[in-house]
This record gives sequence, C-alpha cells and structure tokens, in this order.
Amino acid sequence: AQRVTQPEKLLSVFKGAPVELKCNYSYSGSPELFWYVQYSRQRLQLLLRHISRESIKGFTADLNKGETSFHLKKPFAQEEDSAMYYCAPPLSQTSGSRLTFGEGTQLTVNP
Amino acid sequence: DAGITQSPRHKVTETGTPVTLRCHQTENHRYMYWYRQDPGHGLRLIHYSYGVKDTDKGEVSDGYSVSRSKTEDFLLTLESATSSQTSVYFCAISGNAGGWNGYTFGSGTRLTVV
Repeated sequence: AQRVTQPEKLLSVFKGAPVELKCNYSYSGSPELFWYVQYSRQRLQLLLRHISRESIKGFTADLNKGETSFHLKKPFAQEEDSAMYYCAPPLSQTSGSRLTFGEGTQLTVNP
Repeated sequence: DAGITQSPRHKVTETGTPVTLRCHQTENHRYMYWYRQDPGHGLRLIHYSYGVKDTDKGEVSDGYSVSRSKTEDFLLTLESATSSQTSVYFCAISGNAGGWNGYTFGSGTRLTVV
C-alpha cells in the first residue's frame, strides 16, 4: 500500500513560535493529501485538504512534489493547537480504496 | 452532529469473550472503515466496506470480523477478545472513492480486555 510517513512522533514548541509538522509520501503521480487533527479524547477532524488550498486555524500545507512532502505549518503556535496530527491520502490515492494514515505527530505548545 | 455514532463508548470485557462494536451513520455514505488507535502506532486499518455485504481486510485484521447488512451499519466483532486488542476503535465514513471531501470519524470506542 502507498504510504505516508510522519517522522516526528513528538513535537514541542513554545507559544508564539513557528511550527512545522512533517509529512512525506511514497507514491507517484499527482497526490492529494489531508491533514487531520485530534484534540484530547475527541474524534479526528479534517483540518485541511490539499486540493482546496485553504487555511484553517492559521495552518497551511503545501504539496512539494520534488521532496514528496506535505508539511503542515503555522507561523505562530497557540496553546490550543496542542493535539495529535495525522497526515493521510484520500481513497483514490491508495490501493484497494484504503486510507493509510501516518503514525501521527503529537504537538505540544507550551506557554 | 457528525452523522456517525459508535456504540458502546466504553467497554470492559474478559479475555476469550466475543465483543461487537457498532458504527451507525445517517449520511448514506458508501464507504465505512474500522481503525484501531494505539500509542506508537497511530491509526491502523482493521477492515473496511465499500458497500452492503462488500468488505475487505485491512492491515491488522487478524482476530476481527465485520459485517455490513445495511448501508447505515458496520459491525466489528472481536471473535475471542485478547489483551492485545485493548485499544481505542474508530469508525470512519466517506461518500466516494475519490475521497475529495475527506473522512468523517466517530467518537471512538475505548475497549479494555482484562
């Protein structure tokens, strides 16, 4: 199955500092990718999708085909951004219509 | 309301007993998924369904079975629960194979096998 990789399991930054959560993908073609967020003990929520090129809660993500990356960025982290973040491709990008998630990055924003 | 509910929210069961978790959706979506979430492993796909009575295995399907007799319900059964199946189980739905709208997740079921 095609995969995405999130190399950092834990990431800690201070409030107001820039933050970048890394996501790399392994498949070729024109990928579409999503970022999901899970706040403490809540359901996963769609944060943003590549195809819409939107900015949600100050986060942006740019697809870099040369580096096969889709890193999530925010210029000034807030304490409420502390959560688990997952990178994932949509169904059409994975074999057998499966959704393969990265292992997730736990972001902690310290006061 | 996200249009997807999981039941029960919490369950404690004994090793060796069968357990069934339910995912119910009101969105009339074709695709449904069961994931387990464990520290250090992220989300791993157990089984998925691409229509009524159409299911397939994911990457960690051993010890689990599923059924989908109606569009709105997707059941996950642990045939004989083991301690290694202690986890948080999430159901997800999607309306199309393209996945352009992303996925909607349930609130999860926290299962403890003692």
